Amino acid sequence: EAQVTQNPRYLITVTGKKLTVTCSQNMNHEYMSWYRQDPGLGLRQIYYSMNVEVTDKGDVPEGYKVSRKEKRNFPLILESPSPNQTSLYFCASSLVGTSGYEQYFGPGTRLTVT
Amino acid sequence: AQSVTQLDSQVPVFEEAPVELRCNYSSSVSVYLFWYVQYPNQGLQLLLKYLSGSTLVKGINGFEAEFNKSQTSFHLRKPSVHISDTAEYFCAVSEPNAGKSTFGDGTTLTVKP
Repeated sequence: EAQVTQNPRYLITVTGKKLTVTCSQNMNHEYMSWYRQDPGLGLRQIYYSMNVEVTDKGDVPEGYKVSRKEKRNFPLILESPSPNQTSLYFCASSLVGTSGYEQYFGPGTRLTVT
Repeated sequence: AQSVTQLDSQVPVFEEAPVELRCNYSSSVSVYLFWYVQYPNQGLQLLLKYLSGSTLVKGINGFEAEFNKSQTSFHLRKPSVHISDTAEYFCAVSEPNAGKSTFGDGTTLTVKP
């Protein structure tokens, strides 16, 4: 089954404790992206990757890191989480080019930072 | 830079009534346009997209949208809604070959019996 998986689905952590949220897709998509969803603010793009070893900042990259060492994986790293990073996070992937960046989303990771 | 404005944060409607969810966008270049739906406690899934060609696009579940370049709008419509259409709807734009995607704040559609 074609899908985007994220782990963990739920995470409660404390301020300053480094964490990684994994994202993996099995559709051989070149493009992957991370978003955060907050009430009333829609989805805001954190980072995106056009292909392996190619990443770029979205609209809200502060406090986050990413890497793209393999085509299928795009982990999101919070080196020192803070309470304002409490949010619902979505990973997405798509083909590039004429497919028009139709994105396939993972199920989401709900992060709480206390 | 690009931006998306969804003009209604909440739209209540009775079952079998028509509905329109409004979306305006701004961009200095040509963009691709999308509508996604998010059911409670789920991720987003694509409803429909406009890349080029015919300005009226049809999507899943009976939804359609019309691209209006002069008004920079991409409104979503359905002639007769069902209870199961209750969800949050997001309008989004992407620049071709650029990777940046911008989403609107979302419209909560509530269908009442």
